Amino acid sequence: DQQVKQNSPSLSVQEGRISILNCDYTNSMFDYFLWYKKYPAEGPTFLISISSIKDKNEDGRFTVFLNKSAKHLSLHIVPSQPGDSAVYFCAAERDAGGTSYGKLTFGQGTILTVHP
Amino acid sequence: DSGVTQTPKHLITATGQRVTLRCSPRSGDLSVYWYQQSLDQGLQFLIQYYNGEERAKGNILERFSAQQFPDLHSELNLSSLELGDSALYFCASSVGSGGNQPQHFGDGTRLSIL
Repeated sequence: DQQVKQNSPSLSVQEGRISILNCDYTNSMFDYFLWYKKYPAEGPTFLISISSIKDKNEDGRFTVFLNKSAKHLSLHIVPSQPGDSAVYFCAAERDAGGTSYGKLTFGQGTILTVHP
Repeated sequence: DSGVTQTPKHLITATGQRVTLRCSPRSGDLSVYWYQQSLDQGLQFLIQYYNGEERAKGNILERFSAQQFPDLHSELNLSSLELGDSALYFCASSVGSGGNQPQHFGDGTRLSIL
């Protein structure tokens, strides 16, 4: 049962344009969401997170939007740069009062390619 | 550089053997998490330790065990290895015991079972 889904295996974008990566989840107990970027032969690098009490969080070129009613989050990168080319994972964490304390559930990842 | 150190980077061994993967968390982090990334399963949570105590458990096999030592480094022990255990094993760390804080990942140990 895939509780966190990234339905687009890949995305190709021109440099300078906006990249929008999407993620859907099914477990309504998730209350904290994160995006990670991963280059080959490296571990995932934390990008940005959002708590379920917010619907938007910004950090420089990265903005994460959360739509709780739709159980959907998205990562916007603007402007996109060739160095952003990587695999992007969304991850979700359950309410801290549950037994899954600290456990992250990951999506399968989306390969972003930014063309010069 | 995340500050999380994993050794070794690569490990090649045979079925039935036992291996130990090591992780040093970021300075100041008390929690250590272990994840397995295989081709068909993606990143799967295995286990979490906080300040030396087991905190949360995922779908970790009984053949696998972990511990966190007083200096906060952690080891993941995999025994009676099977071909299906071939995967990337990541360690992550965070400041607190979990909940609403990012985890920072090491570069992983690639385990190949021949």
